[in-house]
Amino acid sequence: ELKVEQNPLFLSMQEGKNYTIYCNYSTTSDRLYWYRQDPGKSLESLFVLLSNGAVKQEGRLMASLDTKARLSTLHITAAVHDLSATYFCAVDMEDQAGTALIFGKGTTLSVSS
Amino acid sequence: GAVVSQHPSWVICKSGTSVKIECRSLDFQATTMFWYRQFPKQSLMLMATSNEGSKATYEQGVEKDKFLINHASLTLSTLTVTSAHPEDSSFYICSATGTYSYEQYFGPGTRLTVT
Repeated sequence: ELKVEQNPLFLSMQEGKNYTIYCNYSTTSDRLYWYRQDPGKSLESLFVLLSNGAVKQEGRLMASLDTKARLSTLHITAAVHDLSATYFCAVDMEDQAGTALIFGKGTTLSVSS
Repeated sequence: GAVVSQHPSWVICKSGTSVKIECRSLDFQATTMFWYRQFPKQSLMLMATSNEGSKATYEQGVEKDKFLINHASLTLSTLTVTSAHPEDSSFYICSATGTYSYEQYFGPGTRLTVT
């Protein structure tokens, strides 16, 4: 069965502290995507990870991919209020172009001062 | 980056009526488009995959006679919810991908409320 599991599902963060979201997957494809969703909005693409050991960083967010462990992490450095949102990881259903995505359940982040 | 639009952004309709949602790729040719549905506080669930000029492929549990998908051109796919019921109220999001492209580009979504 194709699965994408995220944890935690909810994360209450304090400003200035570091946190990590984990994404485990069981599909045959090793392309991993991270998205951000604000309330009432669609998805905003954050990172596309295409190979084992891939690491990408944008601002306070850093994503990495370990295809052997079928694990991706999204690391948050020194959380700020603007990062409050729901974050989804997703993987391709199949290892080919033009395939649909399977999404994790999402991790809702809330940053407080 | 590639842009995908959806219209309308929100719609309210009465139970039993039909509503059409459009998904357009504005600056690229979308060989494949996907329709997802998202209920409140839940994740996105794939409803169907449509390729230009072909019949859509529906996911298990999605009624193809209720959710009509037409991908008539390389820039337009439509989703028609027929005989809508309150349980069809949801956030419908389309995405599109080009030839030989892995990345999907998401539309802004359409919020459907059936009263």
